[in-house]
Amino acid sequence: EVQLVESGGGLVQPGGSLRLSCAASGFTFNSHWMHWVRQAPGEGLVWVSLINTDESITTYAGSVKGRFTISRDNAKNTLYLRMNSLRAEDTAVYYCARHLVGGIDYWGQGALVTVSS
Amino acid sequence: QSALTQPPSASGSPGQSVTISCTGTSSDVGAYNFVFWYQQHPAKAPKLMIYEVSQRPSGVPDRFSGSKSGNTASLTVSGLQAEDEADYYCSSYAGNNNYVFGTGTKVTVL
Repeated sequence: EVQLVESGGGLVQPGGSLRLSCAASGFTFNSHWMHWVRQAPGEGLVWVSLINTDESITTYAGSVKGRFTISRDNAKNTLYLRMNSLRAEDTAVYYCARHLVGGIDYWGQGALVTVSS
Repeated sequence: QSALTQPPSASGSPGQSVTISCTGTSSDVGAYNFVFWYQQHPAKAPKLMIYEVSQRPSGVPDRFSGSKSGNTASLTVSGLQAEDEADYYCSSYAGNNNYVFGTGTKVTVL
């Protein structure tokens, strides 16, 4: 069974940093590209970032480019999202998700990030 | 990249059909057959319902079907059931390893 478990969410002040982790199990992690997607409270899904299997390809939504960094550790079956210079508008549930050609097939349960003073 | 446009809401009685549209541009929906549909119940993670415009993953009822014409994709739920009441989102590949989601549609079973 595919499982994706996010951790590292919490309350952070504007301008601060946070690193999310996503522990993957039930599939061959190093064979799959991975995504981060976020959802602000009461709002829709927004694609954030994508990484390929060996980290040679990373892409970002314009709203986070230059502030967020996606990475992975295939030895630990873990995906990461480093978030710097956080703003109030970054407040959201962040989902880790497995890539299927053209989209996403499996999602984690999400981690809440709240940016507030 | 602008979000794909979906109607905010749709509804139908049990047993009826409801169709949700997802309108993009010639750079995303119109350019690729990589339109996906997700179902999200309140406080739950999204679930894949349709991939590559019209393909159903194993375990998804055949009441769910997808199609595309030009820059607009559609999801149809036939024979509505109470458990189909949820938010539905489309997504599309937008080129250069970028993706875009729809604005979301709340489906109500009357």
